[in-house]
Amino acid sequence: GQNIDQPTEMTATEGAIVQINCTYQTSGFNGLFWYQQHAGEAPTFLSYNVLDGLEEKGRFSSFLSRSKGYSYLLLKELQMKDSASYLCAGFGNEKLTFGTGTRLTIIP
Amino acid sequence: SQTIHQWPATLVQPVGSPLSLECTVEGTSNPNLYWYRQAAGRGLQLLFYSVGIGQISSEVPQNLSASRPQDRQFILSSKKLLLSDSGFYLCARRGEGTDTQYFGPGTRLTVL
Repeated sequence: GQNIDQPTEMTATEGAIVQINCTYQTSGFNGLFWYQQHAGEAPTFLSYNVLDGLEEKGRFSSFLSRSKGYSYLLLKELQMKDSASYLCAGFGNEKLTFGTGTRLTIIP
Repeated sequence: SQTIHQWPATLVQPVGSPLSLECTVEGTSNPNLYWYRQAAGRGLQLLFYSVGIGQISSEVPQNLSASRPQDRQFILSSKKLLLSDSGFYLCARRGEGTDTQYFGPGTRLTVL
């Protein structure tokens, strides 16, 4: 089956660090995607993890543990523009299965 | 560059009316294309995907259909809309040589 779980909402302070967790069960799992989606807009690609470990891309990092079915997205030096929904998606059998997304609110 | 166009951007339709949403892709040939729907409070749901002209795979049973009449054109249709068809419809393409999917700007459909 396909199942992606992530928290519904999170709040963090400008300049701080936040970690958004995701657990997954995806048939034929190939890798784990993270997308950012601002309100009313289409999702934009952030990261894709295929191998275990941490991948860093500027202020954003993404981690994957295949044995635990677990991933997280780490956002550093938070800015107000980081207020958005963050979508976790498992890729398997040529398809993406999305979670419902985590709505992150940044407060001053 | 590879660009995805979707139109219309916004649509309000009465229950029982037909629907046609269009997605076109530039800058790439024979892309894998996808239709997703995002309903309020729910995650993106894959509706259809296509690996080439005339090749459509349906993921969920519903009153929607898809067609791919040309290499870079993907159309989502319905003969009679339901209230539950309201949502944000997104077309996506798969990047060349990658698993990554890139989304178009979307069409927001409200069925009244």
